[in-house]
Amino acid sequence: DTGVSQDPRHKITKRGQNVTFRCDPISEHNRLYWYRQTLGQGPEFLTYFQNEAQLEKSRLLSDRFSAERPKGSFSTLEIQRTEQGDSAMYLCASSPRGQLVTEAFFGQGTRLTVV
Amino acid sequence: LAKTTQPISMDSYEGQEVNITCSHNNIATNDYITWYQQFPSQGPRFIIQGYKTKVTNEVASLFIPADRKSSTLSLPRVSLSDTAVYYCLVGSYSSASKIIFGSGTRLSIRP
Repeated sequence: DTGVSQDPRHKITKRGQNVTFRCDPISEHNRLYWYRQTLGQGPEFLTYFQNEAQLEKSRLLSDRFSAERPKGSFSTLEIQRTEQGDSAMYLCASSPRGQLVTEAFFGQGTRLTVV
Repeated sequence: LAKTTQPISMDSYEGQEVNITCSHNNIATNDYITWYQQFPSQGPRFIIQGYKTKVTNEVASLFIPADRKSSTLSLPRVSLSDTAVYYCLVGSYSSASKIIFGSGTRLSIRP
């Protein structure tokens, strides 16, 4: 399967703990996006990378959230001091150079539950 | 930000054609219209994208009137497996942060 891969698929953590998610985009896709989706809502944009550069960040991305994409390949999203409100599906997507940012390939997501 | 408005839910039957309309009154000149499909516990899947008039692919058709303030996703001869949430969004090359998925349309197909 050469699609966008996310790991883990599910994560349960206690409030206050730190968590890190990984996303492996489709090979040679230079654009990578992170979204958050809560129950019954559409995905909300979190951040966008072009190669290793983080070009855009949402105001939803508080100082407890950080994302990296070293070497422009895989990406990680870290949440520090998790809160119950962080419980959501975290989606990663990628797209190739020259394509509209609205046309992306999504992974299956990481479902985070904060207890 | 170009916000979209869609019906919350729709029902139809197998074999029927389904049309889902989306309004995007403040669409910008360089914005394209894109539709995604999402099944439970999966990421959204790109269906179709267009700028004006009509676009057709193997899955769906997208109709966009001249003023581009709305668009209609047409799914021909739906099956049970088309039961999903469908999102309409607008955006361009310029900014990923301006893409808004909204709440989508929950389509239920009955036998």
